Amino acid sequence: AQSVTQPDIHITVSEGASLELRCNYSYGATPYLFWYVQSPGQGLQLLLKYFSGDTLVQGIKGFEAEFKRSQSSFNLRKPSVHWSDAAEYFCAVGGRAGGTSYGKLTFGQGTILTVHP
Amino acid sequence: GAGVSQSPRYKVTKRGQDVTLRCDPISSHATLYWYQQALGQGPEFLTYFNYEAQPDKSGLPSDRFSAERPEGSISTLTIQRTEQRDSAMYRCASSLGRLAGGLAQTQYFGPGTRLLVL
Repeated sequence: AQSVTQPDIHITVSEGASLELRCNYSYGATPYLFWYVQSPGQGLQLLLKYFSGDTLVQGIKGFEAEFKRSQSSFNLRKPSVHWSDAAEYFCAVGGRAGGTSYGKLTFGQGTILTVHP
Repeated sequence: GAGVSQSPRYKVTKRGQDVTLRCDPISSHATLYWYQQALGQGPEFLTYFNYEAQPDKSGLPSDRFSAERPEGSISTLTIQRTEQRDSAMYRCASSLGRLAGGLAQTQYFGPGTRLLVL
């Protein structure tokens, strides 16, 4: 069964500092990996995704993530955090097409990011 | 439509009442998903549709939960005889889904319906 672990429930950084949010997954093959962001009162917005190929993927709002197969990780990074990045971030793993679990996403429990001025 | 829409955005109901939540996916999307998100948790899969077919209901918590998508577009999620433990955010997502591959399986979410059962 697929699973996702986000070890950090809450992270606080200062504006302008760098950020790394951790994500570890369990899946039998190469998965599809996603990061979503949830701002208060908003839906889940897709930040970036990994399917195959280049293990460093770029997303919106200056975010990037690196897929490391050997560590079963897909950590999210940003070199300089802005106050508007304060939100809850979810890592998700999805199975490839086939069977009855087509496209089903399994989410981590989320990491809440607080940004200090 | 331009994005996934859900209604109502908020629903307060009394224990024992039935509720129906609605999802209108992106118009070109064949696949539609329902998730339940408890406070402080990530979304959890409930069920999905491929057009009007519903191949996987494995995440529905009990037989009080049902979903349909009769014409392969708009979907409804109905909870009968609601209980306080049903209080959660209910999220709908859609994806292209007609082809294999990551792009076809990328899910776009609506704003959610927050359900409170008193």
